[in-house]
Amino acid sequence: GQSLEQPSEVTAVEGAIVQINCTYQTSGFYGLSWYQQHDGGAPTFLSYNALDGLEETGRFSSFLSRSDSYGYLLLQELQMKDSASYFCPDGHNQGGKLIFGQGTELSVKP
Amino acid sequence: DAGVIQSPRHEVTEMGQEVTLRCKPISGHNSLFWYRQTMMRGLELLIYFNNNVPIDDSGMPEDRFSAKMPNASFSTLKIQPSEPRDSAVYFCASSSGLAGGPYNEQFFGPGTRLTVL
Repeated sequence: GQSLEQPSEVTAVEGAIVQINCTYQTSGFYGLSWYQQHDGGAPTFLSYNALDGLEETGRFSSFLSRSDSYGYLLLQELQMKDSASYFCPDGHNQGGKLIFGQGTELSVKP
Repeated sequence: DAGVIQSPRHEVTEMGQEVTLRCKPISGHNSLFWYRQTMMRGLELLIYFNNNVPIDDSGMPEDRFSAKMPNASFSTLKIQPSEPRDSAVYFCASSSGLAGGPYNEQFFGPGTRLTVL
């Protein structure tokens, strides 16, 4: 079954900062990926954390704590175009595959 | 590079008909994945190939679904016979990661929106 948890919906206002959490039920996973999917579109890769700590790419940052089986995606200076679904797929010991699940739907309001 | 190419982009068919979805992965990628996305079930992995060999088909819902990868540049997903509950968006993705490797950035195609009446 699915071994990760993330909130189903998050709402925030334009210009704000939002954090989308991702918690793994299993330990010892290899790393944490994040994907973004706009409504009707294809998922696209955002980031990958191989090691603990914070990775920053422009307005987006991703954090990983392997000891806590926990990570998050931080979006700063939110824009309307950030409204999308965000996935932290489980790649732990999956033999090269990623398990995506339902993702978190982010709605950015004016 | 053109990215992952899928065809058709939209397919409307009647229950009982055979449906064939096509995918051309990014040149040089050695892993190919088929996904299905619905509101109820999210983004589900159906099957994936590495070096044209099916590695894991545990996500294939039933025998009505089959997938092939005859060469490194082409794969098909077939549903026969199709049913209304098969209505979904089907994505194909490819990656250059080694099977079992920890880093597997996947590149998704635009998807095929299938409607079975």
